[in-house]
Amino acid sequence: SQQGEEDPQALSIQEGENATMNCSYKTSINNLQWYRQNSGRGLVHLILIRSNEREKHSGRLRVTLDTSKKSSSLLITASRAADTASYFCATADGGYQKVTFGIGTKLQVIP
Amino acid sequence: DGGITQSPKYLFRKEGQNVTLSCEQNLNHDAMYWYRQDPGQGLRLIYYSQIVNDFQKGDIAEGYSVSREKKESFPLTVTSAQKNPTAFYLCASRQTGNNQPQHFGDGTRLSIL
Repeated sequence: SQQGEEDPQALSIQEGENATMNCSYKTSINNLQWYRQNSGRGLVHLILIRSNEREKHSGRLRVTLDTSKKSSSLLITASRAADTASYFCATADGGYQKVTFGIGTKLQVIP
Repeated sequence: DGGITQSPKYLFRKEGQNVTLSCEQNLNHDAMYWYRQDPGQGLRLIYYSQIVNDFQKGDIAEGYSVSREKKESFPLTVTSAQKNPTAFYLCASRQTGNNQPQHFGDGTRLSIL
């Protein structure tokens, strides 16, 4: 079963604009992770936010987590054509160390 | 370089045939995972292993089998019982313990002839 649900499923923006993707989940979590996938490749880990954290930054990435609403957002600032990819959120439970992925947001950055 | 190697990159299966996908890691990670990715459905967990000689079924284990005889290797067999095996298969590993991210291979694309 899918734990995370990303929104929107597809997003198209102009280079230089900011891109915001949202993720909702259903059960309690240990942490929430964001990954990026270029077409036909494996996933690359971007950022991990723990359940007791509310916001985290890494370069042009900003992630927020609201455990009361069971939601997270990923903001990519000053987007570049090279940011074109699919972005997935993933949640990890503390029990079995299972990591469950959402269906992803497909981001297109137009030069 | 440390990483995860999946082979082959492309694989074709005939009806009624078992095929095995290879996954090797040199990251010294205890935990390893197999996911299946279909268009529009994200990643679904097939099997995972926290330690050598131990593994658990994920959400869609039917028609698949795995082994974990060595820490660095976690091969996945797609059996003839899997009726719709055409998909992109991804292997991942991670250090055990909380708050550790997964590291992924570049996948194997399996198609039916």
